[in-house]
Order: sequence, then C-alpha cells, then structure tokens
Amino acid sequence: DTAVSQTPKYLVTQMGNDKSIKCEQNLGHDTMYWYKQDSKKFLKIMFSYNNKELIINETVPNRFSPKSPDKAHLNLHINSLELGDSAVYFCASSPGLAYNEQFFGPGTRLTVL
Amino acid sequence: GQSLEQPSEVTAVEGAIVQINCTYQTSGFYGLSWYQQHDGGAPTFLSYNALDGLEETGRFSSFLSRSDSYGYLLLQELQMKDSASYFCAVPTTDKLIFGTGTRLQVFP
Repeated sequence: DTAVSQTPKYLVTQMGNDKSIKCEQNLGHDTMYWYKQDSKKFLKIMFSYNNKELIINETVPNRFSPKSPDKAHLNLHINSLELGDSAVYFCASSPGLAYNEQFFGPGTRLTVL
Repeated sequence: GQSLEQPSEVTAVEGAIVQINCTYQTSGFYGLSWYQQHDGGAPTFLSYNALDGLEETGRFSSFLSRSDSYGYLLLQELQMKDSASYFCAVPTTDKLIFGTGTRLQVFP
C-alpha cells in the first residue's frame, strides 16, 4: 500500500563512514527527488531524476551520489560522512517535472557522531 | 534568487481561525502550493493555487494574489491535530522551492 518508502528510517554512524539510503515508489511516477531537511526544518532539494536521468544536482558535495536503477527506485549513497550531514533525508516522487504535488517518503533521520 | 518567506511561528487556540502568510520572489511563477508536516512525519500536500483567489478544501483554504506575490493558508475551526509545520512552495520547471516554514501550535 505504501506509496513512497525509504529504508532505513534511522541511521546512526561515525564520521568518515559510507552509508546508503534506499527509496522506492509504487505510484508509477516518472520523477523522483532527494531532499535534505536540517534542524531548522528547512527543506532543500538535492537531486531530481526523471525517467532515470539526472535532472538537478543542487551544488551537493560529490560525496553524495544518487543512483536510479529504474524509475521506481532512487538510492542515495554518501561517502566519508561528516557531522554536517546529520539531517532528515526525504525521498519524494511526482508524475513528472514541475508538478505542484509531490509525494514524500517517511524520511531517514541520519545522525553522524 | 528565489525565496519564499513565512512567519516562523504562529499560535492559536482550539476552535479559532489562523492565517499563515507567504511572500515570494521567484523568476517565473506557475502557482503556490501548501504542505503540512507533523513532527517526525513527512510533508503532505494540502492545496495548490494557480490563479488568484481563494480555494477552499474543508476547514482549510488557500489564497493567492499574483500581483502582490503573496499567498496565505487559512485554517478554520482549529483542532489540536492541526499543530504542525506548514510550508508554502513554488513549482518551477524542474523542482519545488519550499518556503521557510511556519510552526503552528494549537492550544486547548
């Protein structure tokens, strides 16, 4: 039933480690996104993919590498984690680009110690 | 640059009416969306205004004035469960830009 799912929900790790977050949507949407929400709740787009093609990379450090094996999945791999990477990461999807309604996953709370 | 400004916090009591404002500066404008996010939860879509005027959906209404680059979300008959953060957002050709967010606290 779940429209947009993410795993894991919580991730606690040490500085310098590498970790991945997975996202899947069963809505048949063409476009998927990664957002970062910081402690002040500001929601900022990181990446968007349309039909597996990278559309947006919002000046995110290249330690962050998204991968879209198919249009239902968008994963996020983070290398050499830093303290400042601690945040909640949301995956979202929409039928296409420039849609006013996006469907968000439950979020992954990443804590870097 | 593109920016959407909202008040950081609004408080109200159950049963009251509250208005959350959003002023925007964007290059190219298609409309204004509103999202709700409960603590620990994900943002969920509430409404979208493409044209000027008021759109009503149950207890929630959203208003847009394109000439003033301004919109608001109106919540009526407030309930405790309305305590959440509310974000305005503007779709561009390839993404949504979110506002700074307004935390609404409803008291009994």
